[in-house]
Amino acid sequence: QVTLKESGPALVKPTQTLTLTCTFSGFSLSTNEMRVSWIRQPPGKALEWLARIDWDDDKFYSTSLKTRLTISKDTSKNQVVLTMTNMDPVDTATYYCARMSAAPEFQHWGQGTLVTVSS
Amino acid sequence: SYELTQPPSVSVSPGQTASITCSGDKLGDKYASWYQQKPGQSPVLVIYQDTKRPSGIPERFSGSYSENTATLTISGTQAIDEADYYCQAWDSSTPYVFGTGTKVTVL
Repeated sequence: QVTLKESGPALVKPTQTLTLTCTFSGFSLSTNEMRVSWIRQPPGKALEWLARIDWDDDKFYSTSLKTRLTISKDTSKNQVVLTMTNMDPVDTATYYCARMSAAPEFQHWGQGTLVTVSS
Repeated sequence: SYELTQPPSVSVSPGQTASITCSGDKLGDKYASWYQQKPGQSPVLVIYQDTKRPSGIPERFSGSYSENTATLTISGTQAIDEADYYCQAWDSSTPYVFGTGTKVTVL
């Protein structure tokens, strides 16, 4: 059974750096074609893809947020970490991690974690 | 940047058919997926690669596509299908774009 769970601070101040961790089970990110993405959703708004990391450590970022994002993995811990710099109130959102395989859809999602950016 | 447009809302009577459209330039040339999201819950994949249904998703959910539009159809809509639905497209030049979302209300 594939499960993913996001963790991180519920509140960050403007200009701070956000660090989120996705801890997963039921698959290994060292297996060929396995991938994990981060997606966010501001309250009442649509989903937005942020970043993806692959089994071979390839990394891909949203064009609009590329300068602020870093994604990494710790295969031994079954974790994927996302950092986002220079947080702003408009970054207030629920942040999800999701598993993918070779196909371009998000097959399994975590429960999400709400991050509020406020001073 | 690439955009996908959905109607903000669709209303349907129980037992009837709901159709949700997703429009984008040359969308038919890309892979389209659909997600169901109920209030306070994470999205769930209901259609992938335009027309395929994951295991565990009821047969009343189906997908189709044309040149610029992907469509999610819910046949015999039930009250439990009331949710927000998002389309998502991908190709090598359009990584992971989501639609604007459609709220389906079962009246």
